Amino acid sequence: QVQLVESGGGGVQPGRPLRLSCAASGFTFSRYGMHWVRQAPGKGLEWVAVISYNGRHKYYADSVKGRFTISRDNSKNTLDLQMNSLRADDTALYYCAKDNSPVYDAFDLWGQGTMVTVSS
Amino acid sequence: ELVMTQSPATLSVSPGERATLSCRASQSVSSNLAWYQQKPGQAPKLLIYDASTRATGIPARFSGSGSGTDFTLTISSLQSEDFAVYYCQQYHNWPLLFGQGTRLEIK
Repeated sequence: QVQLVESGGGGVQPGRPLRLSCAASGFTFSRYGMHWVRQAPGKGLEWVAVISYNGRHKYYADSVKGRFTISRDNSKNTLDLQMNSLRADDTALYYCAKDNSPVYDAFDLWGQGTMVTVSS
Repeated sequence: ELVMTQSPATLSVSPGERATLSCRASQSVSSNLAWYQQKPGQAPKLLIYDASTRATGIPARFSGSGSGTDFTLTISSLQSEDFAVYYCQQYHNWPLLFGQGTRLEIK
């Protein structure tokens, strides 16, 4: 079954770290770029980060640059997001998403998301 | 800095009628533009990519057009399941950007 399943969300205090994971199945994970996208409660979609199919290239939104790190393990078909120095405005539902093709593209597969709440 | 602007913010249309949603980029994104549909409590779903190509399994009533800075998503005859929020997204430049969304509601 072709799917992405996120995990690792929860409540965390400001300034603390949290690590999200995304497990991929049903497709050749190592062929595609992978993204994290977030959605604050009641708000729109915000792209967070991307990692190339081989892990060599990474790009981040300005809002998370220097605090978040995206990584992948193609041997385990997993995508991670290490989030440090969390702030209240990082509170959101975090989705992982797959590129539609082996080059950077639209997102044709999304997980159901994992909720991150940053609050003291 | 690139900005994606969708209009209108809310669109009220009757079932069976046509809906036209707009997305404008502040600079050219070529044809690297996608449209997504999001229903309450669900993840977004890809409808259109490369400005005008329907994603797998998307009904023909959904069509996309445009290039450069101005794009349109048209739903030719609205079905009850089409009432949702629609987002455009550019993937021409980093950072990738979504528009703020258009809420399509039943009139």
